[in-house]
Amino acid sequence: DAGITQSPRHKVTETGTPVTLRCHQTENHRYMYWYRQDPGHGLRLIHYSYGVKDTDKGEVSDGYSVSRSKTEDFLLTLESATSSQTSVYFCAISPRGSDYEQYFGPGTRLTVT
Amino acid sequence: DAKTTQPPSMDCAEGRAANLPCNHSTISGNEYVYWYRQIHSQGPQYIIHGLKNNETNEMASLIITEDRKSSTLILPHATLRDTAVYYCIVRVAGVTGGGNKLTFGTGTQLKVEL
Repeated sequence: DAGITQSPRHKVTETGTPVTLRCHQTENHRYMYWYRQDPGHGLRLIHYSYGVKDTDKGEVSDGYSVSRSKTEDFLLTLESATSSQTSVYFCAISPRGSDYEQYFGPGTRLTVT
Repeated sequence: DAKTTQPPSMDCAEGRAANLPCNHSTISGNEYVYWYRQIHSQGPQYIIHGLKNNETNEMASLIITEDRKSSTLILPHATLRDTAVYYCIVRVAGVTGGGNKLTFGTGTQLKVEL
């Protein structure tokens, strides 16, 4: 157990509404990541963070923003949800640094109708 | 990162060793081999990684060929709970700034049966 929780675990929302997903870790690790997983596309990096207020874009960042005001929380926001953002979202941490293994949360299943 | 090739599916009898192969013929000298698995509807789970030496931990063993072009993940005594999709990932080290993402391919669906 890597001490990662994600909330909510399931969410259904309508197109155009803002949505915020939360990733919480209990170990104060520096590196945190947001991925989405879709059939046929595998796991794709959305954004990542390497410290409080230090974030950067991944390969599929359009339509998403993130914030990290505390070490333990990494928030992913969909400013105006679209149906193409229906996906399973996973948060991950990397306790030993960005080059090493990552540990994943349980995921959030988001459906945009 | 180098591309990997895995068989789409494998079966294994419970209690027997499961040997999952992975080809990574274009691997570079600074690229590690990582293995993850994903049990249905759960987050991916790190298993093991290595550079060129064989590695073992409480979950599995990783055997990397001398030319590093292929590897095998061994689950010594597979159980029903090991049924999952197993991903072999080749990943470069030394990426600065924290953006060393994982790229999962299609993996191998391992089914452990009684």
